Amino acid sequence: DTEVTQTPKHLVMGMTNKKSLKCEQHMGHRAMYWYKQKAKKPPELMFVYSYEKLSINESVPSRFSPECPNSSLLNLHLHALQPEDSALYLCASSQDRVRQESYNEQFFGPGTRLTVL
Amino acid sequence: GQQVMQIPQYQHVQEGEDFTTYCNSSTTLSNIQWYKQRPGGHPVFLIQLVKSGEVKKQKRLTFQFGEAKKNSSLHITATQTTDVGTYFCAGPAGGTSYGKLTFGQGTILTVHP
Repeated sequence: DTEVTQTPKHLVMGMTNKKSLKCEQHMGHRAMYWYKQKAKKPPELMFVYSYEKLSINESVPSRFSPECPNSSLLNLHLHALQPEDSALYLCASSQDRVRQESYNEQFFGPGTRLTVL
Repeated sequence: GQQVMQIPQYQHVQEGEDFTTYCNSSTTLSNIQWYKQRPGGHPVFLIQLVKSGEVKKQKRLTFQFGEAKKNSSLHITATQTTDVGTYFCAGPAGGTSYGKLTFGQGTILTVHP
């Protein structure tokens, strides 16, 4: 299984709602990532988890809260979002996080298209 | 911080024409990766280049990594409508940012039949 799955595919939420995005992979990868992507822009890294520990937080606002319950699952909890947070949220995984010398390809999920009203 | 510049931003070609996108990094890269994102889709890994001057081919796609490991290119020969999408180069960020890929802005390719 070389697939990263994400749910839901689409999400519309109000600024006062609380919702969660879910990501799952069964490739035995130990690094997982959350990206935000706006139209016609590259993916923008938000968080990196390595061996279930948060290793990179790209100064993301606290209204985004990541969670890694186990090595296969990654969640992104959303609370009090703003309309400008509307975007495609991509989850990705790779075999390992570290070592520039032997970087690992990232497998992306299909994304959750989020609209904040 | 590290910057990865990619040109052109857009490229429109007739089917059968060739296409090239170029990527330049402000710093030396240990490796560079290329991804393709179809319209409405998600980025899909194409290839990783590691060695200085490396050239790799995948059917009609040719990837090059510069001698100084600061630039790279993707060339598609005789484009087809299936080549439509955005092509991103990406390099690992330096320092302690292990796990971070710095993406180029991408080149959006449209192919007219």
